[in-house]
Amino acid sequence: GAGVSQSPSNKVTEKGKDVELRCDPISGHTALYWYRQSLGQGLEFLIYFQGNSAPDKSGLPSDRFSAERTGGSVSTLTIQRTQQEDSAVYLCASSPGSSGGPLVEQFFGPGTRLTVL
Amino acid sequence: KQEVTQIPAALSVPEGENLVLNCSFTDSAIYNLQWFRQDPGKGLTSLLLIQSSQREQTSGRLNASLDKSSGRSTLYIAASQPGDSATYLCAVLNAGGTSYGKLTFGQGTILTVHP
Repeated sequence: GAGVSQSPSNKVTEKGKDVELRCDPISGHTALYWYRQSLGQGLEFLIYFQGNSAPDKSGLPSDRFSAERTGGSVSTLTIQRTQQEDSAVYLCASSPGSSGGPLVEQFFGPGTRLTVL
Repeated sequence: KQEVTQIPAALSVPEGENLVLNCSFTDSAIYNLQWFRQDPGKGLTSLLLIQSSQREQTSGRLNASLDKSSGRSTLYIAASQPGDSATYLCAVLNAGGTSYGKLTFGQGTILTVHP
């Protein structure tokens, strides 16, 4: 079956512009995660959605970052007024999840490479 | 706060060698530990997942062990091949506190297997 997909694969933008990154999780997966991979910082957790529960936004680096998940499926990560330090690869992952917590394997998409000029 | 450390940062070996990658974590309150592979410019491919109640998992030439009490995991690659060249990432799924449900990653080990 289809894995996690992300679009666009690459995005180049100018400082100060807003960008939207999209993630399509594996069908039926209730948990969805966003991570960021940047030079010098490694892979960092950003935000986590589990079913209909309120998302865990504790990893978002500033209020310029927001994410939503519509209909329990597709998710969009929005970065407003982009800065050069936002340049990174943004990875999305999904897992089957459970009511008791995300005890299972996370499957990652190919990522979106964001470059802010 | 959970911290994950991987040693070595880089490793270069000739084809055919058996090798061990190390991962350590500071908080033993984990649900599971995953080893991933990342090829340049690509996403993450899950290699092995070990639940906190397990000691090891095997897949083909790969074997991962977990010692939760000491906060350590190793990934053993047997008979390495040039196609194994990639960055290997260790990540723990946190069980408690503010880190609940999140994967914390190590910085990775860059493996090069030369013919």
